[in-house]
Amino acid sequence: QVQLQESGPGLVKPSETLSLTCIVSGGSISSYYWSWIRQPAGKGLEWIGRIYTSGNTNYNPSLKSRVTMSVDTSKNQFSLRLSSVTAADTAVYYCARAACTGGSCYNDYWGQGTLVTVSS
Amino acid sequence: QSVLTQPPSVSAAPEQKVTISCSGSSSNIGNNFVSWYQQLPGTAPKLLIYDNNKRPSGIPDRFSGSKSGTSATLGITGLQTGDEADYYCGTWDSSLSTGVFGGGTKLTVL
Repeated sequence: QVQLQESGPGLVKPSETLSLTCIVSGGSISSYYWSWIRQPAGKGLEWIGRIYTSGNTNYNPSLKSRVTMSVDTSKNQFSLRLSSVTAADTAVYYCARAACTGGSCYNDYWGQGTLVTVSS
Repeated sequence: QSVLTQPPSVSAAPEQKVTISCSGSSSNIGNNFVSWYQQLPGTAPKLLIYDNNKRPSGIPDRFSGSKSGTSATLGITGLQTGDEADYYCGTWDSSLSTGVFGGGTKLTVL
């Protein structure tokens, strides 16, 4: 059973960089896409981006200038960096596995989510 | 403003049936597969339906999905109080080259 666990600071100051890591267990990180999705309190899901194990990425156009994703296959983990954060970036951040082939792309395994608050 | 449009809320009585719609365009639903997620209060989303109408192992056949043109529908029969949750549709948008979600639908079982 594949399991994902997010880790990182729960509090980030405005204008600084949010950094999160997702550790994958119970399966190999290879040959899949890996996503980051966030959810502000009381609101819907927002797709942040995905990374393939080769390093190929797709980012949400509204966040693209501030987002960087990376993958470390030797550690079975992948990471998110979001720069120049503001209060609007306060949300629960989820990592998820994305099973993508052709026109099919769905998130079949999710982490439990981690709350990141942007505040001074 | 979400790329995919869902009704904010639906409700029905226990044991009844409910449907949740998800409307998009030719760049997303019209040319890609749709997935559906259930988010129980305080928990992470869970995959319910993928590739328009397929159920992952462990998902009861009370849950079904369909797609026609640029719209998709999630159906739930034999409603239970435990089905009260937020439901999201998702797909890939070929024009934006991004994943997209609907705004979510809150299901209330009266």
